[in-house]
Amino acid sequence: AQSVAQPEDQVNVAEGNPLTVKCTYSVSGNPYLFWYVQYPNRGLQFLLKYITGDNLVKGSYGFEAEFNKSQTSFHLKKPSALVSDSALYFCAVSRSARQLTFGSGTQLTVLP
Amino acid sequence: SQTIHQWPATLVQPVGSPLSLECTVEGTSNPNLYWYRQAAGRGLQLLFYSVGIGQISSEVPQNLSASRPQDRQFILSSKKLLLSDSGFYLCAWIAGTGVYEQYFGPGTRLTVT
Repeated sequence: AQSVAQPEDQVNVAEGNPLTVKCTYSVSGNPYLFWYVQYPNRGLQFLLKYITGDNLVKGSYGFEAEFNKSQTSFHLKKPSALVSDSALYFCAVSRSARQLTFGSGTQLTVLP
Repeated sequence: SQTIHQWPATLVQPVGSPLSLECTVEGTSNPNLYWYRQAAGRGLQLLFYSVGIGQISSEVPQNLSASRPQDRQFILSSKKLLLSDSGFYLCAWIAGTGVYEQYFGPGTRLTVT
């Protein structure tokens, strides 16, 4: 079985400050990890993925995530938050890359 | 380019009525296709997935069904809707081998009254 935990329902950060959205996972074997963003009443947009290789993964819109195998974490980060980054963020894990298990989502609010 | 379409965008249906939601993809062949439901703007629940025409796997037993009559068409159906079927329905796909991420359609907002 595979699972994802996003421990924070809500993250607030001031514009220009760094942001972190946390994700931990549980899966047997090597994980495939993903981050998605969702704006109100829209489908999910793919941000970035970790499959193998460098632990630091860079994605769209200046986001990055760090894979930490020992802590089974894949936190999403951005050095300088924008108001337009305010959205719902989902972490997902897969063992086979064919079926994803999503976390419950974290609502990010960037305050001007 | 590769795109995914869903319709309708919104739907209001009475309890007990039938349902048909359609998802089509363009620009690829033999994609893996998925139906998810998102309740209350939060977590996604995988309902069905398909690796080819006529091949459907169900993840959650309920009064919904799925069909894949063509390579790039995925349909979600119900004979009789329940109030609990209300939600945001998302179709997603993976385009071929060597691609790992799923891409999502714009979604259908279903309200059962």
